[in-house]
Amino acid sequence: QKEVEQDPGPLSVPEGAIVSLNCTYSNSAFQYFMWYRQYSRKGPELLMYTYSSGNKEDGRFTAQVDKSSKYISLFIRDSQPSDSATYLCAMSGGGSYIPTFGRGTSLIVHP
Amino acid sequence: SQTIHQWPATLVQPVGSPLSLECTVEGTSNPNLYWYRQAAGRGLQLLFYSVGIGQISSEVPQNLSASRPQDRQFILSSKKLLLSDSGFYLCAWSETSGSDTQYFGPGTRLTVL
Repeated sequence: QKEVEQDPGPLSVPEGAIVSLNCTYSNSAFQYFMWYRQYSRKGPELLMYTYSSGNKEDGRFTAQVDKSSKYISLFIRDSQPSDSATYLCAMSGGGSYIPTFGRGTSLIVHP
Repeated sequence: SQTIHQWPATLVQPVGSPLSLECTVEGTSNPNLYWYRQAAGRGLQLLFYSVGIGQISSEVPQNLSASRPQDRQFILSSKKLLLSDSGFYLCAWSETSGSDTQYFGPGTRLTVL
C-alpha cells in the first residue's frame, strides 16, 4: 500500500461544476497537508496549505482534512476551463520535513 | 519575494553524453533544496536534497549526482546519460525551519535519444 493514494483521473467536468479532489493516506503521523496545481509542462504551484484537521477556504478553493479517516479533499467551486490542470496532494509530519506526494489527479473543465 | 530559476528549460541529449542542470533561488538564505524527476503518470520522485552547502543526501541510487557549491545554487549532473534519464526535472526549495512547504521551479524537460 502506497503512503498516499490519489486517483489519476482524468476527471472531466463542465464549466461551473463543483469539483472534489481527494487523497487518502496511511501514515497517522502526517499533520501538514498541501495541494499543488500543475499546468502542463510547468512546475507545481502551491494552492493550499493546512495544518491538522479542519477546513481552509481561499476564494473558490476549500481544503478539508479528516485525520480520523486519513482523508483530505480539495473542493473547487464554479470551476473554470483555466482550472484544467493536474492537482497533487502532499503531506508531511512525524519528524520528516520532506513531503510525500500523491501522483496527481488530472482535471479537465470543458466550456 | 522568493523566486526559483531553472535552466535550461528543455534539453535534448544523446545517450552517453554528460548532463548539467542548474537551479538557483533568490530572496532567501540557507534554504533546503531538492531535485525531483517527474515521469509521465508516475508522480514525483525525490532524487536529492540538501540542507546546506556541500551537504547532499541521495534518495535513489542512479547515475546522477548533485552538488551545492553555493548557498542558493543546486546542480544536477551526470557523466553519461541513459535513455531512462529522460523526464521532467524539478528543483524545489523550502525554509530550513517552520512549515514543510516546498516551492517548485519551472522545470527542465530532458529527452535522451
